[in-house]
Amino acid sequence: AQSVTQPDIHITVSEGASLELRCNYSYGATPYLFWYVQSPGQGLQLLLKYFSGDTLVQGIKGFEAEFKRSQSSFNLRKPSVHWSDAAEYFCAVASGTASKLTFGTGTRLQVTL
Amino acid sequence: TAGITQAPTSQILAAGRSMTLRCTQDMRHNAMYWYRQDLGLGLRLIHYSNTAGTTGKGEVPDGYSVSRANTDDFPLTLASAVPSQTSVYFCASSDSFRVGSNEQFFGPGTRLTVL
Repeated sequence: AQSVTQPDIHITVSEGASLELRCNYSYGATPYLFWYVQSPGQGLQLLLKYFSGDTLVQGIKGFEAEFKRSQSSFNLRKPSVHWSDAAEYFCAVASGTASKLTFGTGTRLQVTL
Repeated sequence: TAGITQAPTSQILAAGRSMTLRCTQDMRHNAMYWYRQDLGLGLRLIHYSNTAGTTGKGEVPDGYSVSRANTDDFPLTLASAVPSQTSVYFCASSDSFRVGSNEQFFGPGTRLTVL
């Protein structure tokens, strides 16, 4: 069965600092990988996704993620964090076009000014 | 475009009572999903539907039922609510038949408290 691990429950960074959120997955074949963001009291919004091809994926709001098959990882990065990036971030994996997503437990990002 | 709407926004329900959470999408997506979100557990799939007329069980289906009479609506019913069903419920949809894309779009959620 597929699974996703987000080892960091809570991360605090200063505004303007770089950010990396970790995500490790377990899946036998090539996975479909996603990062979603959830602002307080809101639903989830897709930041970026990986299906195939270039392992460095660009998303919205200046985020990017890199798929590393050898490490079973799909870490999310941003070079300079803004206070508005404070939110909860979820990594998810899907098995092909079956499209059922398995989510990680999330990482809550706090941004200090 | 409205996308996905959910109703109610929040609800307090007495244990043992029944309730239906409503979900409607206007994107003509074939697939729809119900998740519950609990602190420290992320989102867990309750039920899903790949097309109108079909449904399937997710990771945590017990105590919940769904129906998919048409493409747009996917209600979730709690027949006899229990306190452990206190959660935030999210409905989602996707165009899963489109090759190479199974992005799910989420509704704003329903916060349910069972006392």
